[in-house]
Amino acid sequence: AQSVAQPEDQVNVAEGNPLTVKCTYSVSGNPYLFWYVQYPNRGLQFLLKYITGDNLVKGSYGFEAEFNKSQTSFHLKKPSALVSDSALYFCAVRDTRNTGFQKLVFGTGTRLLVSP
Amino acid sequence: KAGVTQTPRYLIKTRGQQVTLSCSPISGHRSVSWYQQTPGQGLQFLFEYFSETQRNKGNFPGRFSGRQFSNSRSEMNVSTLELGDSALYLCASSSGPAGTEAFFGQGTRLTVV
Repeated sequence: AQSVAQPEDQVNVAEGNPLTVKCTYSVSGNPYLFWYVQYPNRGLQFLLKYITGDNLVKGSYGFEAEFNKSQTSFHLKKPSALVSDSALYFCAVRDTRNTGFQKLVFGTGTRLLVSP
Repeated sequence: KAGVTQTPRYLIKTRGQQVTLSCSPISGHRSVSWYQQTPGQGLQFLFEYFSETQRNKGNFPGRFSGRQFSNSRSEMNVSTLELGDSALYLCASSSGPAGTEAFFGQGTRLTVV
């Protein structure tokens, strides 16, 4: 069975500082990994994905994530946080063995608060 | 290109009633998935439709059902509503291959009273 863990319910960071939101995963096969962001009363907005290839993937709004197979992690990072980055962040995994199937398994979410 | 459209945005229903939610995917996308989001359970997969066929289903009771039409638009139905069905219901569409990202609508906020 697939699972995702986001160990921090909340991450606090000052504007201009780097941020990291942690994610670890468990799948039987190789993973497809995704990060989404949710603003209040809104749906999920896609940030970035890891499918294969370079372990460092770049996404929208200056976010990037590093895939680490040995640690089964896919942490989200940004070099300089903005107050507008404050939102709820979800990590999700899809098992590559289920070719064509779209089911995503999500973590519990991490609330990011960026203070001015 | 228009995004994923979900209607209605908000619903208030009484226990025992039934409800139908609608989702129009991004043009050209043939896969539509539904998720339930609650504070206690987080984001839970309900089901996925592709070319009018349900090809995956989550662990929800039979009161939750769905369908997809030939134009890829999808509906989900919840019968005999319970208080615990109060949630944000999210629809996601994708073009199909497993490596592609899903795009989500803004959701339908269902409140059961």
